[in-house]
Amino acid sequence: SQKIEQNSEALNIQEGKTATLTCNYTNYSPAYLQWYRQDPGRGPVFLLLIRENEKEKRKERLKVTFDTTLKQSLFHITASQPADSATYLCALGGGNDMRFGAGTRLTVKP
Amino acid sequence: DTAVSQTPKYLVTQMGNDKSIKCEQNLGHDTMYWYKQDSKKFLKIMFSYNNKELIINETVPNRFSPKSPDKAHLNLHINSLELGDSAVYFCASSQGDRGINGYTFGSGTRLTVV
Repeated sequence: SQKIEQNSEALNIQEGKTATLTCNYTNYSPAYLQWYRQDPGRGPVFLLLIRENEKEKRKERLKVTFDTTLKQSLFHITASQPADSATYLCALGGGNDMRFGAGTRLTVKP
Repeated sequence: DTAVSQTPKYLVTQMGNDKSIKCEQNLGHDTMYWYKQDSKKFLKIMFSYNNKELIINETVPNRFSPKSPDKAHLNLHINSLELGDSAVYFCASSQGDRGINGYTFGSGTRLTVV
């Protein structure tokens, strides 16, 4: 069956460091992968999309990589700030809908 | 100016009751979705409508019935509520039925069945 796993439930890092979150998937061939941010009591907010034929995408302090051989995406936040603290969800698409991972809760400590 | 709005935000009700959650989007998107987020935070697709036509109906009890009067609205009606229905329900919309431009989510409806 299809599975989407995000590396850990929670990740704590110090302000200014780079946060790296992992999304692995099995039994799936997504045409693209997306990353979302979710704050407590709110709906997810779309951040970035990367297509299967792209290796890397950047947007400001965010960087996403997509390795279809390893079936893995890495999501980096450079120069992290306490305001980056949230849950980050990866989502795989290409069919009629997006399938989401359970998310990684990131806490950036000042 | 909310892009995707859901009402109510909180819903507490007794087992066996029937309830509805409303969703409206003002983005001009042609596809709308209902997702359920359980206590483990998994977001699971329930239904998807494209231009008022049902295109996804995951394995959801038939006590759940979506209704799309027009492409800007997708309501969720739940009959005979059970304890296990307690969760946060999110409405979302996208342009095109493959979500390639990202989904826009509402802020969720927290349903508690007692």
